[in-house]
Order: sequence, then structure tokens, then C-alpha cells
Amino acid sequence: AQSVTQPDIHITVSEGASLELRCNYSYGATPYLFWYVQSPGQGLQLLLKYFSGDTLVQGIKGFEAEFKRSQSSFNLRKPSVHWSDAAEYFCAVGGGGGNKLTFGTGTQLKVEL
Amino acid sequence: DTAVSQTPKYLVTQMGNDKSIKCEQNLGHDTMYWYKQDSKKFLKIMFSYNNKELIINETVPNRFSPKSPDKAHLNLHINSLELGDSAVYFCASSQRSRGDEQFFGPGTRLTVL
Repeated sequence: AQSVTQPDIHITVSEGASLELRCNYSYGATPYLFWYVQSPGQGLQLLLKYFSGDTLVQGIKGFEAEFKRSQSSFNLRKPSVHWSDAAEYFCAVGGGGGNKLTFGTGTQLKVEL
Repeated sequence: DTAVSQTPKYLVTQMGNDKSIKCEQNLGHDTMYWYKQDSKKFLKIMFSYNNKELIINETVPNRFSPKSPDKAHLNLHINSLELGDSAVYFCASSQRSRGDEQFFGPGTRLTVL
């Protein structure tokens, strides 16, 4: 069965500091991996995705993530956080072709000004 | 133009009532989903339809009945509402041939009193 672990429930960073959100997955084959962001009271917006190819993927809003098969990880990074990045971040794994996405429990990011 | 829309945005009702949530997507996708997000922000797939055919049916009480009249619409009907049904319900869509990049609607917050 596929699963996703986001070990950090809450993270607080100062504006301008770098950010790394951790994600570990379990999947029997080559995974499709995603990071979504949810602002309060809003739906989920896709930040970036990994299907195949280059293991470092770039997304919107200056985010990037690196797929490391040996560590079953897909960590999200941003070099300099902005106050507007405060939100809930979800990592998800899917099998492609209309299969379900399995989400992690989310990491709530707070940004100190 | 709204890509994935849901109605209503908020739904407050009494236990035992029957209610429906509607979802429409204008992305031309062939697959649609319902997810439930509980009070701890945990997201879980409920159902998925591909070209109006049910392809994912997780362990959801049979009080929940999805219906897809066409590829662009997926509705969720809930009978005999219970307190535990209170949650945010998200609709999503994707194009099966392009993997699992799912686009989410704004959510419907259901409160059962």
C-alpha cells in the first residue's frame, strides 16, 4: 500500500530564511510525487510534481523539490521564504493513470516577520 | 474562469438529513475525484470516476453515493447525515493519460449539527 510521511507537523521560519519540508513515501513502483499548498479556507494548489527524468524539479512560487529514490524522499525547498508562504503543505504520492493520490498529514508553515 | 467549481461552499444541516454537493470542471479532464478533509486536515480519497465509470471506491459508508452524469460533473449525495460527516469535501479532476496531476476545487465545508 502506498503511504506518505511528513514528519514535521509545524515549522516556523523567519522571513528570508531558507526552508525545507520533509516528505518520505512508500510505493511499490515508480511513484508520481506531488507537493500541494493549501492556504486557510482555500483549496489545494499544485506547487510541483515529479513523474520521471531530472530528480530536481522546479515549481511555482520559487519552490523546488528533489526526488531521492534511495531515501524514498521528496523534500520541498525554498531558498528565501516570504510571509505569504505561510500555509499548509501536503506531499502526495500516486501511481499515475487516474490512480488515487495518497496524502501526507501536512506540515503547517508559519513565517515570522 | 474557474477550473473546478463546487456548490455550495458551505453547508450546515441537521443530523439525519440528506444533502448533495455538486462539482463541475471545465478543464476537459476525463477523471474526477471526491476527497474528504477532516478536522485535522487529513485528506483521504473517497471516490473516483473515469469517463463516468466508477474506478475508485474506498471504504466509505454506503450513505455516500457519487453520481457522474457526464465527464465534466461529479456529484456527491449523502443520506442520513451523521455528526462524523462534518468535514471539508474537495472535488478534483485530472486527465488520466497525463498522470495524476489533480486540480482541486475550493471545497465544501459541511457542518452537521
